[in-house]
Amino acid sequence: DIQMTQSPSSLSASVGDRVTISCRSSQSIRNYLNWFQQKPGKAPKLLMYAASSLQSGVPSRFSGSGSGTDFSLTISSLQPEDFATYYCQQSYTTPWTFGQGTKVEIK
Amino acid sequence: QVQLQESGPGLVKPSETLSLTCSVSGGSINNYYWSWIRQPPGKGLEWIGYIYYSGSTNYNPSLKSRVTMSVDTSKNQFSLKLSSVTAADTAVYYCARRDGLGSYPYFNYWGQGNLVTVSS
Repeated sequence: DIQMTQSPSSLSASVGDRVTISCRSSQSIRNYLNWFQQKPGKAPKLLMYAASSLQSGVPSRFSGSGSGTDFSLTISSLQPEDFATYYCQQSYTTPWTFGQGTKVEIK
Repeated sequence: QVQLQESGPGLVKPSETLSLTCSVSGGSINNYYWSWIRQPPGKGLEWIGYIYYSGSTNYNPSLKSRVTMSVDTSKNQFSLKLSSVTAADTAVYYCARRDGLGSYPYFNYWGQGNLVTVSS
């Protein structure tokens, strides 16, 4: 299985901060990388697919980059509704696997 | 707007079989891959497997020996059975539609989740 490792596991930030979450895969997944946002008690919500494609309806302050084994999700100016847990997920090969999550908390 | 809704028992006894159904509304089940994903309380996400509307399946090897998925196109539903459950199978179970056909797969539509607790 391809292992997905996110860093950090959690972070504290203030509204307006620029935040970057990293995701590394145990082997190359080209750009078959998706990002999800999950709020407590809710299903994950797709933010980005194919590493850098913004899902329709997602604010443009979210951006993704990377290819191969190293990826990142950046929130350019953190908003109150962005406090949540973020997961990366590889769709290069089954079994599809997720990172362990990064919890973004209010400082 | 496509909507998915999981249904099934919230409590299952150890060694028994967990059974869940996902009902799809606002769109056809045809021509899509449909997945089950679970999340133990306070933990991360695990992909269980998918079923194509035609009935072909792909299961996570870690669960393959205990998983059976089926689809009923006439009812626009698909189902999950997980046998010989233990406390480790306690989780919120989500159904989801795989989009990005022919290109980059991603889960765009999700159910709200169904918490299943394994306990006697």
